[in-house]
Amino acid sequence: QVQLVQSGAEVKKPGASVKVSCKASGYTFTNYGISWVRQAPGQGLEWMGWIKPYNGYTNSVQKFQGRVTMTTDTSTTTAYMELRGLRSDDTAVYYCAREDQWLGFYYFDYWGQGTLVTVSS
Amino acid sequence: EIVLTQSPGTLSLSPGERATLSCRASQSVSINYLAWYQQKPGQAPRLLTYGASGRATGIPDRFSVSGSGTDFTLTIRRLEPEDFAVYYCQDYGSSTRTFGQGTKVEIK
Repeated sequence: QVQLVQSGAEVKKPGASVKVSCKASGYTFTNYGISWVRQAPGQGLEWMGWIKPYNGYTNSVQKFQGRVTMTTDTSTTTAYMELRGLRSDDTAVYYCAREDQWLGFYYFDYWGQGTLVTVSS
Repeated sequence: EIVLTQSPGTLSLSPGERATLSCRASQSVSINYLAWYQQKPGQAPRLLTYGASGRATGIPDRFSVSGSGTDFTLTIRRLEPEDFAVYYCQDYGSSTRTFGQGTKVEIK
């Protein structure tokens, strides 16, 4: 069955970087995009960007451009999201999600369990 | 960039009642690119519906979607205890995948 398993919680100081991993299994990794979504405490979902494992194409929200790097390792079917220059308002749960499309419909059908990143001095 | 505005912010209803959740887009979107997600406390979001009539695996038919253009509605026909959660609409755009801010359905 399809699974996305993320790395564990992280505590970082302001200005540091964090790299979250998302191990995919149960499907052909290169056939589906991976999006990254974050959720600050008590807040809604915020889409950060996505990567196409097939060719490494990425696109991210302008507010994160220059601070976020999304990559994949097809040999281990793992996606990574690195966020640099962490600030306290980057404290959030970070999710990876599989993008799918079927008959012209588009959606995120599987999600990782989330990784809590806490930024604190 | 499309902005999705959900209303109301909170819906207080009793089990068995009908829930009507609104999602309004700042510009016209195709319903084919509209999805709804359910999130319960401490859990990852779960895909609920996609397009005008698609339901994810295991989602009961009391959940339905309607609308076109800029106005969309998620209806939960008769609320079950497990339906009390936060619901998000999402537009799967060509370059961005925008979420609404969510509607919380709470027990009255």
